[in-house]
Amino acid sequence: TQLLEQSPQFLSIQEGENLTVYCNSSSVFSSLQWYRQEPGEGPVLLVTVVTGGEVKKLKRLTFQFGDARKDSSLHITAAQPGDTGLYLCAGHTAGKSTFGDGTTLTVKP
Amino acid sequence: NAGVTQTPKFQVLKTGQSMTLQCAQDMNHEYMSWYRQDPGMGLRLIHYSVGAGITDQGEVPNGYNVSRSTTEDFPLRLLSAAPSQTSVYFCASSPVTYQPQHFGDGTRLSIL
Repeated sequence: TQLLEQSPQFLSIQEGENLTVYCNSSSVFSSLQWYRQEPGEGPVLLVTVVTGGEVKKLKRLTFQFGDARKDSSLHITAAQPGDTGLYLCAGHTAGKSTFGDGTTLTVKP
Repeated sequence: NAGVTQTPKFQVLKTGQSMTLQCAQDMNHEYMSWYRQDPGMGLRLIHYSVGAGITDQGEVPNGYNVSRSTTEDFPLRLLSAAPSQTSVYFCASSPVTYQPQHFGDGTRLSIL
């Protein structure tokens, strides 16, 4: 079983602060996705990264895929209360997907 | 455009009962999948389908059956409900890849 470890598990910060969450594995993935999930709803896809070393930006969010395609990070600049939610990473290979347990982010106004 | 629609949103069952969770998508996506999400955990893959008539097992398939007679529908059947199956169930779809792109809002299932 391929495992994806996310850290930290919980993060509570003030509006305007920067933060980084991590997604690590000992396995190589063909691609990796990040999702955001709000209470009572399904996950919403934020980004897919497929190339080792790839960096993608989505407004204040920056996603990076590790060179060896075993890890990834999500950096949020100047966090806002609207960024509050559960952030999930998922690695995909050989037709199967593996999700991390998520990072619960709370941004206080 | 409705996307992925799951019904029911909530359900309470007694141990031993059977039921079917419905999932429908209107995006003509070939790939559909079912996940369960338990408190404090990520999503675990139950079953998936790469097209009508083709299904395969995921990480936690025991106690669940699926079928895919049409591109649009991918129902999940609980054969004999057990308390360990209490969870939130999500259905997802993708156009061509195994990476879920669109999720439904989930079915919250409690088994007493």
